[in-house]
Amino acid sequence: AAGVIQSPRHLIKEKRETATLKCYPIPRHDTVYWYQQGPGQDPQFLISFYEKMQSDKGSIPDRFSAQQFSDYHSELNMSSLELGDSALYFCASSLDRGQYEQYFGPGTRLTVT
Amino acid sequence: DAKTTQPNSMESNEEEPVHLPCNHSTISGTDYIHWYRQLPSQGPEYVIHGLTSNVNNRMASLAIAEDRKSSTLILHRATLRDAAVYYCILKGKGGSEKLVFGKGMKLTVNP
Repeated sequence: AAGVIQSPRHLIKEKRETATLKCYPIPRHDTVYWYQQGPGQDPQFLISFYEKMQSDKGSIPDRFSAQQFSDYHSELNMSSLELGDSALYFCASSLDRGQYEQYFGPGTRLTVT
Repeated sequence: DAKTTQPNSMESNEEEPVHLPCNHSTISGTDYIHWYRQLPSQGPEYVIHGLTSNVNNRMASLAIAEDRKSSTLILHRATLRDAAVYYCILKGKGGSEKLVFGKGMKLTVNP
């Protein structure tokens, strides 16, 4: 079965650079979520989209922005990177919102040096 | 979001049943109980969810107390692949669809 695809899988950036993470949801899933997991931490919700509109926002820094495109894929744009942004970034998708289960991708490991 | 409490860790033996407890004494009437797990170096994985009745799927069973203040995830026959951090999460009906991960519980499976 098709799974959530994230690219790139690994990314190394320097401080103050920008990064773009991509997420391709499971076919027919219209809801996408982004989570950040720092070293030794639990995943933290950043932002979500339903039918290409932002539906919820968590503790996402103002330096980060995201959008969902007409084909339902999503991109997380991160600017002015800081050392503390080093983390695993997971994308998840679900069929509609509500109590449907979320399917997570393998994550993008971002290292900021 | 209502809070859940889980033990920090548990150990089990391979091929034996495992009962993973979760307390959620402040659960509201419309909160669903979701379980996810995260294997090392992987994204979280959906396990099961329920509202009031006990639920079964191919991965596990979810037993929900009659007063809904606690629940138990049951792995009927633990395998080494079940070693993971397990998260018990409450999601309100009609509320935000985000998952709020707490500390989770690390399950170790001994061969």
